[in-house]
Amino acid sequence: AQSVTQLDSQVPVFEEAPVELRCNYSSSVSVYLFWYVQYPNQGLQLLLKYLSGSTLVKGINGFEAEFNKSQTSFHLRKPSVHISDTAEYFCAVSEKTSYDKVIFGPGTSLSVIP
Amino acid sequence: KAGVTQTPRYLIKTRGQQVTLSCSPISGHRSVSWYQQTPGQGLQFLFEYFSETQRNKGNFPGRFSGRQFSNSRSEMNVSTLELGDSALYLCASRRVLAGPDTQYFGPGTRLTVL
Repeated sequence: AQSVTQLDSQVPVFEEAPVELRCNYSSSVSVYLFWYVQYPNQGLQLLLKYLSGSTLVKGINGFEAEFNKSQTSFHLRKPSVHISDTAEYFCAVSEKTSYDKVIFGPGTSLSVIP
Repeated sequence: KAGVTQTPRYLIKTRGQQVTLSCSPISGHRSVSWYQQTPGQGLQFLFEYFSETQRNKGNFPGRFSGRQFSNSRSEMNVSTLELGDSALYLCASRRVLAGPDTQYFGPGTRLTVL
């Protein structure tokens, strides 16, 4: 069965500093990978997704993620964070054979410190 | 284009009661999925409806049920409420293409069980 691990439950970072949010997945088949962001009192919004092709994926708000098949990772990065990036970030995976079912990681709370 | 809407946004119930939550997908979207979000368990998949049929189901007891109407609107029902059912319930809609298309989330219904 597929699963998603987000090693850091909370990540504090100073404004304009770079950040990396880690995500590892477990699956016996090929997968699609996603990062979602949830701002306070809101639903989830898709940041970026990896379906196939280039392993470096660029998303909205200056975020990017790199798919590493050998390490089964899909870490999210941003070179310079802003106060408005303070939110909960979720990594998610779905198997290519049953992409309707998306499994989410536990989330990482990013706090940007002014 | 209007986003996914969920009603009500907040709900307070007592143990043993039942509750019905509503989700209106984005126009043209045919699939609706429901998730339960809690601080301890994170985002957990409840079920997905497509063309008025439940297509996928998560590991929740039979007290959790849902349905989808011909206009793709969906309702979720929880009977015999327990304290542990307190959560943010999110629904997500997608168009349903021949492949993994983006899920769009509503703002959620915050259910508190006393």
